[in-house]
Amino acid sequence: EADIYQTPRYLVIGTGKKITLECSQTMGHDKMYWYQQDPGMELHLIHYSYGVNSTEKGDLSSESTVSRIRTEHFPLTLESARPSHTSQYLCASSDGGRGRDQPQHFGDGTRLSIL
Amino acid sequence: SQKIEQNSEALNIQEGKTATLTCNYTNYSPAYLQWYRQDPGRGPVFLLLIRENEKEKRKERLKVTFDTTLKQSLFHITASQPADSATYLCALGETGGFKTIFGAGTRLFVKA
Repeated sequence: EADIYQTPRYLVIGTGKKITLECSQTMGHDKMYWYQQDPGMELHLIHYSYGVNSTEKGDLSSESTVSRIRTEHFPLTLESARPSHTSQYLCASSDGGRGRDQPQHFGDGTRLSIL
Repeated sequence: SQKIEQNSEALNIQEGKTATLTCNYTNYSPAYLQWYRQDPGRGPVFLLLIRENEKEKRKERLKVTFDTTLKQSLFHITASQPADSATYLCALGETGGFKTIFGAGTRLFVKA
C-alpha cells in the first residue's frame, strides 16, 4: 500500500564514499522531508522541500544535500560518508495544498552503516 | 527549552484491556497533534489528527484527547490486540510554524 519508496533499504559502505539515498512518491505531494532516526529516539528533520526547486535545511545539522528537480523525486546525497552518518534515514511527503496539518506519509527508510 | 515527552519505558498490557499512552509537551503552542504507529524496521504510519479547538477524536478502537491546559494528549486503544504491539509516536505542529515535531515514542506490548 506504500506510495513512497526508498532505496536501498540497507547500505553498508566504507568511509569516504559518496552515497545517494533515493526517495520517490507517486501521490503528487508538494512537500517532502528527510528525517534521521536513531533507535529509541525521535525523528530529526534534516531537509525539507515545499516543491520543485525548493529545498531547506531542517533542525539537525547535516552534511548531506538534497535536490528537488521533479515533484516525485527527492534524493539525499552524502559526498563523503563518515561513521557518524550511521543511522536510519526516513523520507516522507505530505499534501501541502490541503493545509499545514496534513499527515505525513513515510517510506520504510534506509538503514545506513558506515564502516 | 521545548520538548515533547512520551513514556520511554514500554507499556505492557493484557489483550482486551485499554492501552493509554501519554504525550506531554513543554514550551510549544500546538495548532494540532498527530499520532503515528511505527513497527520495527518500518516508517511511521499516520493514525489520528486532533486540532487545538478539539477535545477528543475517535476512529474505530482509537481515541485521542487534547488538553491545552494540561499541555497533554492521551491516546487510547480499546479492546487491545497483540497486533497493536508497536511504537506509538506523537507529533505536533505549532501555530504559525511549518514543521511537525516528533516525540521519541512509547513501545506498547499487548500480551495474548
